Amino acid sequence: IAGITQAPTSQILAAGRRMTLRCTQDMRHNAMYWYRQDLGLGLRLIHYSNTAGTTGKGEVPDGYSVSRANTDDFPLTLASAVPSQTSVYFCASSDSAGAPDTQYFGPGTRLTVL
Amino acid sequence: GQNIDQPTEMTATEGAIVQINCTYQTSGFNGLFWYQQHAGEAPTFLSYNVLDGLEEKGRFSSFLSRSKGYSYLLLKELQMKDSASYLCAVTSDDYKLSFGAGTTVTVRA
Repeated sequence: IAGITQAPTSQILAAGRRMTLRCTQDMRHNAMYWYRQDLGLGLRLIHYSNTAGTTGKGEVPDGYSVSRANTDDFPLTLASAVPSQTSVYFCASSDSAGAPDTQYFGPGTRLTVL
Repeated sequence: GQNIDQPTEMTATEGAIVQINCTYQTSGFNGLFWYQQHAGEAPTFLSYNVLDGLEEKGRFSSFLSRSKGYSYLLLKELQMKDSASYLCAVTSDDYKLSFGAGTTVTVRA
């Protein structure tokens, strides 16, 4: 069982370019999340999905969009990347969104926007 | 919103005990998680507390006082592999996690 996979592992991107970070889970979890992690700030929630077909905004959603077409996949898109989006991005999933369930994290994508 | 505070760094000797404190202010509370994160890796679940008291799990224990908005993670018999960041996270009414900035623990021989 792979758990959660993310791709790419790392990416260097020119400002203004569009980029999609991929996230796939094989645990049949209902809820999925995208976080960014910056030094000194901890993990901050970007977007979430409580179940397939629904999405919601987290703490720092501006400049990002997500979709949840099925249970397994939850891609994060940067429509026009800016240097302030340089960060490590983690995807996570949990069995339920309606309870304080343990979240399981993917290995992360290190993104540098120049 | 949430306000979660934990120390930035701690250093301890192999075999010793270290206590990482976490204080929080939240508009609603549905439990507190501790995660461990080794450098360059994903966070992994350590513990969950929703009721006051101590939860023990091997060398790691976690304590919660809801009335004080306070938790600690206790690491006993420290090993070199325990060098990592420890993240305190609070769940509120919407069950979303709000994380502290993390405490980096360095274990020295």
